[in-house]
Amino acid sequence: GAVVSQHPSWVICKSGTSVKIECRSLDFQATTMFWYRQFPKQSLMLMATSNEGSKATYEQGVEKDKFLINHASLTLSTLTVTSAHPEDSSFYICSANPAGYHNEQFFGPGTRLTVL
Amino acid sequence: AQSVAQPEDQVNVAEGNPLTVKCTYSVSGNPYLFWYVQYPNRGLQFLLKYITGDNLVKGSYGFEAEFNKSQTSFHLKKPSALVSDSALYFCAVRVQRSNDYKLSFGAGTTVTVRA
Repeated sequence: GAVVSQHPSWVICKSGTSVKIECRSLDFQATTMFWYRQFPKQSLMLMATSNEGSKATYEQGVEKDKFLINHASLTLSTLTVTSAHPEDSSFYICSANPAGYHNEQFFGPGTRLTVL
Repeated sequence: AQSVAQPEDQVNVAEGNPLTVKCTYSVSGNPYLFWYVQYPNRGLQFLLKYITGDNLVKGSYGFEAEFNKSQTSFHLKKPSALVSDSALYFCAVRVQRSNDYKLSFGAGTTVTVRA
């Protein structure tokens, strides 16, 4: 139980295009999902907290117009990297808290984004 | 405020030897503590957590960790390391009974187990 999936697992795009990454909780409902960014051999940097049915809360320094987050249902959150540039290339990981159970986050497998 | 320190960037051990990965934390209140492992180009895999109760927590793949409140530590241990334990390990913390469910992660420790 408590499986989180991400799609796609990797994506390569041209500079200036937008890319959407999906995060799904497969066997539980998630009122809260988190989006992280990770550079090679570095820690996870929290980008934003996504709450179902409301606007995401972004961490300081993260451009909300650049990284659009939508949490339209209890099992799906999406991160859209708009007008991507090479510096946006990174490993993006989502996690989810099961509804009513906030003791643990369950992590997705990550999405490798490469912007050419 | 909450934070985690993993003082060692790298830990190298021989297969069959004990493995310890250090973690200290700082929170305003009682902590929830977690250990995760990450293999290259993969997401985080949960190893174990401390919520309440026994200070010695046993987790997946033979790992365990001891919560030490006085030293604000939560070191990860394995009695006999395997080559397959080579990976990146993260310690994480959040405050109990908080409406803020965000985790704070340490910088990570790369473990290399040599055959």
